[in-house]
Amino acid sequence: NAGVTQTPKFQVLKTGQSMTLQCAQDMNHEYMSWYRQDPGMGLRLIHYSVGAGITDQGEVPNGYNVSRSTTEDFPLRLLSAAPSQTSVYFCASTNAGGVLSYEQYFGPGTRLTVT
Amino acid sequence: GQQVMQIPQYQHVQEGEDFTTYCNSSTTLSNIQWYKQRPGGHPVFLIQLVKSGEVKKQKRLTFQFGEAKKNSSLHITATQTTDVGTYFCAGRGFGNEKLTFGTGTRLTIIP
Repeated sequence: NAGVTQTPKFQVLKTGQSMTLQCAQDMNHEYMSWYRQDPGMGLRLIHYSVGAGITDQGEVPNGYNVSRSTTEDFPLRLLSAAPSQTSVYFCASTNAGGVLSYEQYFGPGTRLTVT
Repeated sequence: GQQVMQIPQYQHVQEGEDFTTYCNSSTTLSNIQWYKQRPGGHPVFLIQLVKSGEVKKQKRLTFQFGEAKKNSSLHITATQTTDVGTYFCAGRGFGNEKLTFGTGTRLTIIP
């Protein structure tokens, strides 16, 4: 199994540009999440999905859109990039949630710079 | 909303010394997880604690979940250079699918 894969690994955008960060997992996990990591602020949840066709907002959803058309894929779209979105983005998946929640498997991350 | 605070933010220790990081939640948690992130890497799951007062050990690592299920700690005995990285706790509330991460503690080892 490849686990959780993310593309691209690095990206530089200009303010106002749009792009999609790709995330895929081959573990048949129902739960997938997007986090951003900024220095001194830990990992903050952007959006998450509890299954195909179901998404919900996390802590910092503004400026980002997600969709979940298949179990495997969970792309994150930046609508109009801003310098404040410069960050490292991690996608994660897990096979359960709630009280029975299990470990999250993280992808290698995408380092995004917006100029 | 749920907040998870972690202290200290940084810790520098001599190789062989012990290390502890503490995690405190603003609300009662259904479970708490710990992750380790090596420099330049991604978070990797270490353990999950579910029961009040639970203590789990993994070799030199000891994890505790408080009686009130609002705090947790990770203690490393006799640190080694392989322990370098940032340690995160992550808590989940009741009836809530979201996992809230602490701010992390960055551990550096002085050889």
